[in-house]
Amino acid sequence: QVTLRESGPALVKPTQTLTLTCTFSGFSLSTSGMCVSWIRQPPGKALEWLALIDWDDDKYYSTSLKTRLTISKDTSKNQVVLTMTNMDPVDTATYYCAHLIVGAGAFDYWGQGTLVTVSS
Amino acid sequence: SSELTQDPAVSVALGQTVRITCQGDSLRSYYASWYQQKPGQAPVLVIYGKNNRPSGIPDRFSGSSSGNTASLTITGAQAEDEADYYCNSRDSSGNHLNWVFGGGTKLTVL
Repeated sequence: QVTLRESGPALVKPTQTLTLTCTFSGFSLSTSGMCVSWIRQPPGKALEWLALIDWDDDKYYSTSLKTRLTISKDTSKNQVVLTMTNMDPVDTATYYCAHLIVGAGAFDYWGQGTLVTVSS
Repeated sequence: SSELTQDPAVSVALGQTVRITCQGDSLRSYYASWYQQKPGQAPVLVIYGKNNRPSGIPDRFSGSSSGNTASLTITGAQAEDEADYYCNSRDSSGNHLNWVFGGGTKLTVL
């Protein structure tokens, strides 16, 4: 059974760097075809894709946010980490991590999400 | 990057059929996937690929695609289908591979 859980600070100040961790089970990120992605959703707004890392350590970023994002994985710990620099109040959102298999091309398992508020 | 466009809101009478659409250039190259999201919950995948349903998704949900438009059809909508629905696909415009979501459609079951 695949599960994912996001963890990180609930509150960050403007200009700070956000670090979020996705801890997962039920699959290995060293297995061919496996990927983990980060997706966010501001309150009352739509989903926004942020970044994805695959089994081969290839990394993909949102065009609009790529200068602020870094995604990495620790296969031994079953974790994926996302950092986002220079946080702003508009970055207030629920941040989700999700599992994707390349062949299916869809995010089939999601964490419950973690709400991050950016405020001084 | 490419965008996916959805109608903001759609309504359907209980037991009737409703189609939710998603338009975008990326859909000419990639299949859409569809997600159902109820208030306070994480999205749930309901359709992916040509027309595939994950285990546990009722067969009243189906997907189709033509040109730059993908559609999610609910045949015999139930009260529990009232939710926000998002489409999603890969996008390789500008030789930069990424993923995009539509703006979401709020489905009301009357």
